Amino acid sequence: QVQLQESGPGLVKPSETLSLTCTVSGGSISSYYWSWIRQPPGKGLEWIGYIYYSGSTNYNPSLKSRVTISVDTSKNQFSLKLSSVTAADTAVYYCARVRRGIAVAGWYYYCMDVWGKGTTVTVSS
Amino acid sequence: DIQMTQSPSSLSASVGDRVTITCQASQDISNYLNWYQQKPGKAPKLLIYDASNLETGVPSRFSGSGSGTDFTFTISSLQPEDIATYYCQQYDNLPRYTFGQGTKLEIK
Repeated sequence: QVQLQESGPGLVKPSETLSLTCTVSGGSISSYYWSWIRQPPGKGLEWIGYIYYSGSTNYNPSLKSRVTISVDTSKNQFSLKLSSVTAADTAVYYCARVRRGIAVAGWYYYCMDVWGKGTTVTVSS
Repeated sequence: DIQMTQSPSSLSASVGDRVTITCQASQDISNYLNWYQQKPGKAPKLLIYDASNLETGVPSRFSGSGSGTDFTFTISSLQPEDIATYYCQQYDNLPRYTFGQGTKLEIK
C-alpha cells in the first residue's frame, strides 16, 4: 500500500527557509494531488497547500507569500519550502495524499486518505 | 473565507454511549466535508468523506450526515479505542481546505 515519509531538518533558525520532502512509496505520485498540513504543539491542524502531479499548486492564503510546493515525479517526491520562518512556524509537518473521486450525485469530492507519520520542525536560534 | 465552527471542543462519555459532534460552516459548502480521527502522537486518519461516506476499513459505528451548512459526526456505541481528537475539514471547489478546531473525546 502507499506510504508517505517526511524528511528534512528538525531545527531551523528564525528568518531562514524550512525545507521538507515527502517520499511516496508503494505507488505512483501520478494522478493524485499531494498536500502539506501542519500542527503546532497542542493545537489543531492547518492546511498549507497542495500540488497536483502535473505541477499545478494552490496554497493557504495566510501562508501563500512564503510557501512553495514542488514535485519531482522521477523521484516520486514532493517538497515544501517555507521562507522567513518564525517561532510560530514550529509544528509537526505532515504530508498527505489527496484522493479525488466522483460522488453519487456527480460532483468531485476530495479527501486526504493517506498520511505520513509527520516530522517535527522547531524554529529556534 | 469559509469559517468552520466545531463543537463541543471536548467531550467525556462512557463506553457504549452514543457520541455526536457537530460542524457548522459559515456558508453553504454542499457536501464538501470530511471527518478525521487523530490519536495522540499519530497522524490523522480519514473516517468519513463527502459528508456521509464511510472510508473503507472504518468500523460502521462511525457515521456522518448533513449538507449545506450543518454537519454531524456520530459514534453509535463508544469504544475505548475511540479516544482521540476528531476534526472536520471543509473544502471549496479549488480545492482549499479548512479544518475545524477539533473535539477531544475522553472516556468518563
